[in-house]
Order: sequence, then structure tokens, then C-alpha cells
Amino acid sequence: SQTIHQWPATLVQPVGSPLSLECTVEGTSNPNLYWYRQAAGRGLQLLFYSVGIGQISSEVPQNLSASRPQDRQFILSSKKLLLSDSGFYLCAWGEGVSEAFFGQGTRLTVV
Amino acid sequence: GQQLNQSPQSMFIQEGEDVSMNCTSSSIFNTWLWYKQDPGEGPVLLIALYKAGELTSNGRLTAQFGITRKDSFLNISASIPSDVGIYFCAGPLQTGANNLFFGTGTRLTVIP
Repeated sequence: SQTIHQWPATLVQPVGSPLSLECTVEGTSNPNLYWYRQAAGRGLQLLFYSVGIGQISSEVPQNLSASRPQDRQFILSSKKLLLSDSGFYLCAWGEGVSEAFFGQGTRLTVV
Repeated sequence: GQQLNQSPQSMFIQEGEDVSMNCTSSSIFNTWLWYKQDPGEGPVLLIALYKAGELTSNGRLTAQFGITRKDSFLNISASIPSDVGIYFCAGPLQTGANNLFFGTGTRLTVIP
């Protein structure tokens, strides 16, 4: 069966520091991969999605970037965090767009 | 920009009552997905709808894909305390697109 792992679960980082969040999927090949951000009490904002290795589409301009170095690995990064980057970050995978399955999320607090 | 509007934004109901929430879009969808999110967790897929007019059930949950393909509703019958959470609709905004957009969410509180 397919599983998705996302880490770390929580992170506190100072303003201006770099960021790297990792997500891996097991049990499937060539999945669509997604990064979402959720502000407190709000809906999910699609940040990036990828349909294959090295293929990244960005939905909103921002201080973040994404990479997909391997088929089942999706990384969210920043060179210098801003206070406004705080939030709940969720990785998800799907086979096509008929579904998406989420990881447990990373709560990022930028201080 | 793309918008999926959910209503109501929040609901407070007594345990045992039925619940109805809906999702509307200004664009046509080919797939509607309904998710539930518990606090501090990732959303969990409840029901997926793939055809206009489709009515699908999952236990006490029933969802329908609107005939116009611009709306969907989710009903929960005989609510229980563990139904508490935020419910989201979602779907790919364009045919063949690989992005999945989420609605604004409905926060459900069940009073025992």
C-alpha cells in the first residue's frame, strides 16, 4: 500500500534562516506531488505541484521553491525565511488529479 | 482567480442532527473531492465524485456532483462528536490540469 512521509512535524526557525522540508512517497510510481500551505483556520493554498522528476509548477509567487530530485521525493525550500512563511505545510500525492492523499504536515513557526 | 466557495463557513449542531454543506465554483469541474481535516493533521479523503449527477455514500456521508458541474454537496447523517473538524471540497480546475484546488472549508462543531 502507498504511504507518504513528511518531516519534521514541527519546526521553529529564525527569520532569515534557510528551510528544507522533505516529503517521500512509497508504494507508487510517478505520482503527482503537491505542496500546500495552510494559514491558521484557513483553507489550503496550492504552492507547487510536480508531475515528474525535475518538473515543478508554481501556483503563487513567493519566497519558497520546490524540487523533485527523485521520483518519489519532493522538497520545499527557502534561502531566507520571512515571518509570513509561518504556517502548516502539507505534502500530498496522487495518481492523476482524481485524488490526493496527504502527509501529516509540518507546522513551521518563523520567529 | 480560481475560487471554490464553501458554505456555511461554520456550523454548530447537536449530536444526532443531520448536516448539509455545499461547495460552488464559477468554473466547471470534472471531479469533486470531499476531505475532512482534524486539528493538526493532514486532510483525509472522504468521498470522490467523477460524473455529473453522481450520488455517492460512505457510511453516514453522502455527496453529490451537481448537474451543472459547478457545485457539490456533502451530507452527514446522525452526527457524532468525532465528526468535528473542517470539511473541504476540492477538484482540478481544468480538464487535463494537474493542480488540485481546495475550497475555503466548513468548520463543524458537534455538541454532545
